[in-house]
Amino acid sequence: GAVVSQHPSWVICKSGTSVKIECRSLDFQATTMFWYRQFPKQSLMLMATSNEGSKATYEQGVEKDKFLINHASLTLSTLTVTSAHPEDSSFYICSAHTGGIYEQYFGPGTRLTVT
Amino acid sequence: GQNIDQPTEMTATEGAIVQINCTYQTSGFNGLFWYQQHAGEAPTFLSYNVLDGLEEKGRFSSFLSRSKGYSYLLLKELQMKDSASYLCAAMDSNYQLIWGAGTKLIIKP
Repeated sequence: GAVVSQHPSWVICKSGTSVKIECRSLDFQATTMFWYRQFPKQSLMLMATSNEGSKATYEQGVEKDKFLINHASLTLSTLTVTSAHPEDSSFYICSAHTGGIYEQYFGPGTRLTVT
Repeated sequence: GQNIDQPTEMTATEGAIVQINCTYQTSGFNGLFWYQQHAGEAPTFLSYNVLDGLEEKGRFSSFLSRSKGYSYLLLKELQMKDSASYLCAAMDSNYQLIWGAGTKLIIKP
């Protein structure tokens, strides 16, 4: 149980375009979903926390107009990187949390390359 | 401020035992997590400690001392597949995870 999927697993896009990444909890309802970014040889950096039906809470330094997060249902959250630039190239990972349990279940990650 | 410290890299021999230490400072405390992350993959959950003491789970054990702000992950009978980064994360009073930079464990034959 507690499986989280992400789609796509990797994507290459041109500078200036937008990319949407989906995160789904497959066998449980996720009250909270987290979006992380990880650069090579660095640890996870939390970008934002989203609760179903409400606006995401962004970490300091993360542009909410650039990284659009939608948590439309208890099983789906999306991250849209708008007007992508090469410096947005990174490994984006989502995780999901269900009420009463502290453990976060991670998706497999999406590797974004902006050319 | 909130902070997690763990060694950047460790090397051990196949079949041996290795202990990865982690110290933390957080605003409030709701538990300490250890995750394993292989290169290019997402983290996978290893353990969660919220009470002092040792939790054993197969070849992996995790220890917590709340008074010292200290935890360690103990890996026994090391296998080559254990080569990975090990992430320590403490949960603060807002139930937010504060992540360490990870310890890269290199296993040699």
